[in-house]
Amino acid sequence: RKEVEQDPGPFNVPEGATVAFNCTYSNSASQSFFWYRQDCRKEPKLLMSVYSSGNEDGRFTAQLNRASQYISLLIRDSKLSDSATYLCVVSSPTDSWGKLQFGAGTQVVVTP
Amino acid sequence: DGGITQSPKYLFRKEGQNVTLSCEQNLNHDAMYWYRQDPGQGLRLIYYSQIVNDFQKGDIAEGYSVSREKKESFPLTVTSAQKNPTAFYLCASTVGLAGQPSSYNEQFFGPGTRLTVL
Repeated sequence: RKEVEQDPGPFNVPEGATVAFNCTYSNSASQSFFWYRQDCRKEPKLLMSVYSSGNEDGRFTAQLNRASQYISLLIRDSKLSDSATYLCVVSSPTDSWGKLQFGAGTQVVVTP
Repeated sequence: DGGITQSPKYLFRKEGQNVTLSCEQNLNHDAMYWYRQDPGQGLRLIYYSQIVNDFQKGDIAEGYSVSREKKESFPLTVTSAQKNPTAFYLCASTVGLAGQPSSYNEQFFGPGTRLTVL
């Protein structure tokens, strides 16, 4: 079983609509959670960190459910520029360094 | 502007050749990483370095080598021993706070190098 699993999509979303998707992780000791955005053939960039209480950044809302071991990302009022692959990233304190585990990504396509 | 640079952007290699990918950062970050990305897969860690003159193997280090002689630089050599080297290679860095795992902090990525073996 992969440590971080995501629905690859694509999620086809009309402009202005809301889209949400989840990511599940297998290590219950995971401490840090992030969503990164990756445009086609580009490098990943941090979208937002995910905190235990949930957090919002403009049109983006991230939630963490430790009991069920998943994090979610919700995008409201989708823009064409939101089209990208969203990577779920989880860290586990398995050693003093704590590696990051990357999901394969969820593709979102926002259509006019 | 501070950031991470990788070169070249595209690289073509013949089978049996070693190639070196460059990664330079001027963010004054302590920790640096090399990842490989294949279609439909998440990033996989090749090597990482917390400080100068020290580096550790990641999950898929076989067929790769690195050095960290300067804080700013972390070159990756793809050797002929790497069986399937065609991939998108990403270098990243993070500040690495003392006493706290680097993974708690945002990783900044370079633009990547696309390596193709002919």
